[in-house]
Amino acid sequence: GAVVSQHPSWVICKSGTSVKIECRSLDFQATTMFWYRQFPKQSLMLMATSNEGSKATYEQGVEKDKFLINHASLTLSTLTVTSAHPEDSSFYICSAPTFGNTEAFFGQGTRLTVV
Amino acid sequence: DQQVKQNSPSLSVQEGRISILNCDYTNSMFDYFLWYKKYPAEGPTFLISISSIKDKNEDGRFTVFLNKSAKHLSLHIVPSQPGDSAVYFCAASVRGGSEKLVFGKGTKLTVNP
Repeated sequence: GAVVSQHPSWVICKSGTSVKIECRSLDFQATTMFWYRQFPKQSLMLMATSNEGSKATYEQGVEKDKFLINHASLTLSTLTVTSAHPEDSSFYICSAPTFGNTEAFFGQGTRLTVV
Repeated sequence: DQQVKQNSPSLSVQEGRISILNCDYTNSMFDYFLWYKKYPAEGPTFLISISSIKDKNEDGRFTVFLNKSAKHLSLHIVPSQPGDSAVYFCAASVRGGSEKLVFGKGTKLTVNP
């Protein structure tokens, strides 16, 4: 089946620094990828839609200048959390739809802790 | 405003019995519904889905029922196994299951041996 790989699986960073999370489709091309965030005991909330070759589409309330998304190729989307703060600590997950499939496949997720 | 609701944060059942997880939604534009299983610190794994044109879909031990008039769906697991213990998320989409999804808060299922 289709595989979506996310890296790193966990990261700890200091306040004020930036963190980059990668999402790769391993055996298929993804013109669109989705980035979600999950806080403890909460649902997965869509942050943005990453579009290959064009600007990402952000959901209401998500700061596009803080969460930079780049989808430079058909197999890679990156999410950069800029000037991270402790309140950005969360579980970030990407997903990608595949042609002909009725469901999206999710990456393993990245646990971000900002100290 | 939560469009997809899972009102039971947890459920505990005995091995071999039936597990029933419930989900309600408010947006009548949703046309596709999915159930995902998730372990801590991992991404969700797709379980089963149903289109709004159907009222039942079955895959092995998993069956999803959809009641559009009540805006309610449920996941039945029969027989439940200890390996089914995880958090189950209900999700909905307005354009098919591979598009952006709206998730419920999840129900933690514990299957006791």
